[in-house]
Amino acid sequence: DIVMTQSPDSLAASLGERATINCKSSQSVLYSPNNKNYLAWYQQKPGQPPKLLIYWASTRESGVPDRFSGSGSGTDFTLTISSLQAEDVAVYYCHHYYTTPITFGQGTRLEIK
Amino acid sequence: EVQLVESGGGLVQPGGSLKLSCAASGFTFSGSGMHWVRQASGKGLEWVGRIKSKVNNYAIAYIASVEGRFTVSRDDSKNTAYLQMNSLKIEDTAVYYCVALVAATGQLYWGQGTLVTVSS
Repeated sequence: DIVMTQSPDSLAASLGERATINCKSSQSVLYSPNNKNYLAWYQQKPGQPPKLLIYWASTRESGVPDRFSGSGSGTDFTLTISSLQAEDVAVYYCHHYYTTPITFGQGTRLEIK
Repeated sequence: EVQLVESGGGLVQPGGSLKLSCAASGFTFSGSGMHWVRQASGKGLEWVGRIKSKVNNYAIAYIASVEGRFTVSRDDSKNTAYLQMNSLKIEDTAVYYCVALVAATGQLYWGQGTLVTVSS
């Protein structure tokens, strides 16, 4: 199974600051025939389902603010929030969908400092 | 508008059964892989299983802990996916989400979830 490891486990940043969350997979999730990384990022707030932010590692879902961006390839990925807003307080998850079983990172809790 | 609506959750005793449904609309259901993901209270996300589309021969896969107890299926004529859960254990207690993976675009759509509680 592919193991997904996020860092840090929790993060506190000030309003307007940049926040960065990392996700590392134990093997590559880059599918060579289409050159796509099968990696997604989600935001989850209490009592709500996960909200898709980024898919294919760097494609922002429609309606997601452009302060959210995804980068990386192969085994190392990053979610960046360029200017933290109060409504960004949540738990963030990455997961691969390269093969089964699909596996998730353990989550990163983002708070306002 | 894309919608995935789960139903069928509830309280069941250990060893019992439940069948979850996931009604989809707003996207090409027949071309999508349908997955089930669960989340125990206060815990992270755990993928449970999936059924691929017809063009992928309806291929099915599960996590080891539910193999032989859970069955995923789909009815493309009704745009609905199912998760039959038998021999339920206390540790199966969670919110269950259905997730559609649209192969052509790479997008993933999630439902709102349905709570399954296994308790005596």
